[in-house]
Amino acid sequence: DAGVTQSPTHLIKTRGQQVTLRCSPKSGHDTVSWYQQALGQGPQFIFQYYEEEERQRGNFPDRFSGHQFPNYSSELNVNALLLGDSALYLCASSLGNSGRRGGQETQYFGPGTRLLVL
Amino acid sequence: GQNIDQPTEMTATEGAIVQINCTYQTSGFNGLFWYQQHAGEAPTFLSYNVLDGLEEKGRFSSFLSRSKGYSYLLLKELQMKDSASYLCAVRREDDSWGKLQFGAGTQVVVTP
Repeated sequence: DAGVTQSPTHLIKTRGQQVTLRCSPKSGHDTVSWYQQALGQGPQFIFQYYEEEERQRGNFPDRFSGHQFPNYSSELNVNALLLGDSALYLCASSLGNSGRRGGQETQYFGPGTRLLVL
Repeated sequence: GQNIDQPTEMTATEGAIVQINCTYQTSGFNGLFWYQQHAGEAPTFLSYNVLDGLEEKGRFSSFLSRSKGYSYLLLKELQMKDSASYLCAVRREDDSWGKLQFGAGTQVVVTP
């Protein structure tokens, strides 16, 4: 049973460039959440995708966008990269509740993509 | 808004017990999670509390008091491999789709 996978593992970009990160959820999961984790901090919620739509969004600018595909995998895109975007980007998968709020919905994290912006 | 506070670092000896406290302030509450994160790795799920009381899972236990906005993670019979960051995360009532608010993490150092 494959867990959450992410690619690439590491990435180096320069300011102003664009980046795309990829995530495949745990088998049987249909919901993908993206988090940004700066060094020494806890993860910060970026957004969540369910049924190919953005269901909830954190306090991140529009430069951060995403997509979910019919097979539940997801991409995170960041445009016009800033030095402050350097972080570990984590993808977490869970099982949605078909529109019902509540429930444990434990999120399982992938290994992350470490992005360095120079 | 929401504040989640946990100590920055704790040191304990192999075989000992360590208790990591987490306090939170939230306008609504719908569950508290504890995750373990080794350096350079993904957070791994440890426990979930939504009702008051103690949840025990082997060497790890987690406690919740909703009225006090307080939780702790208890690590017993510490092993060297328990050296890691421990993250407390809260889900608000309005965020029941799954958004988690994390604390900054507590770095636990286990010494021989």
